[in-house]
Amino acid sequence: GQQVMQIPQYQHVQEGEDFTTYCNSSTTLSNIQWYKQRPGGHPVFLIQLVKSGEVKKQKRLTFQFGEAKKNSSLHITATQTTDVGTYFCAGLMGSWGKLQFGAGTQVVVTP
Amino acid sequence: DSGVTQTPKHLITATGQRVTLRCSPRSGDLSVYWYQQSLDQGLQFLIQYYNGEERAKGNILERFSAQQFPDLHSELNLSSLELGDSALYFCASSVGPDRGGNTIYFGEGSWLTVV
Repeated sequence: GQQVMQIPQYQHVQEGEDFTTYCNSSTTLSNIQWYKQRPGGHPVFLIQLVKSGEVKKQKRLTFQFGEAKKNSSLHITATQTTDVGTYFCAGLMGSWGKLQFGAGTQVVVTP
Repeated sequence: DSGVTQTPKHLITATGQRVTLRCSPRSGDLSVYWYQQSLDQGLQFLIQYYNGEERAKGNILERFSAQQFPDLHSELNLSSLELGDSALYFCASSVGPDRGGNTIYFGEGSWLTVV
């Protein structure tokens, strides 16, 4: 069936280092969204990418949408302890399709 | 605060019982979504409603049902509960695709523990 795969599942990062999490879909997506869930919290919307090849930045976070609209990445530079949490990508399949979430990347930051 | 309200926040019940989880979407949002989050399954999409009608269905068990009422609040009914149903149940809302809004906003969730 239609799936959104996200890797890695876990990411241990030293404070100050960079890391990237990747999201891949088996089908073309209408858009892709990224959410962050802090420990004990609920997913919070970060950004939405709609256009093929789109790149958006939010401070130290860079989001990319692949040319084929089947993959996306989130790159965080100079990781801080506030970046701890689980980052989910979610792909929209069709305007009325369900928003399919990846399994998430759980990020742990070591000071 | 996302503006999505869920009740109850915590619920402990016995196997075989039935519970109802309630959700009030953000003001102006017509779409309501239900997700189940457990440790080993991530965020599982259950069902989506738009302006009272079911729009998309995910991995929702037959023991579970949901509805969206005319005032747009939604309820998720879980019956014949099993231990494996213990999870965090999120409700989320959006304005709706026909109004250009696919971004969904999550409530704080309802923790269900089945003992």
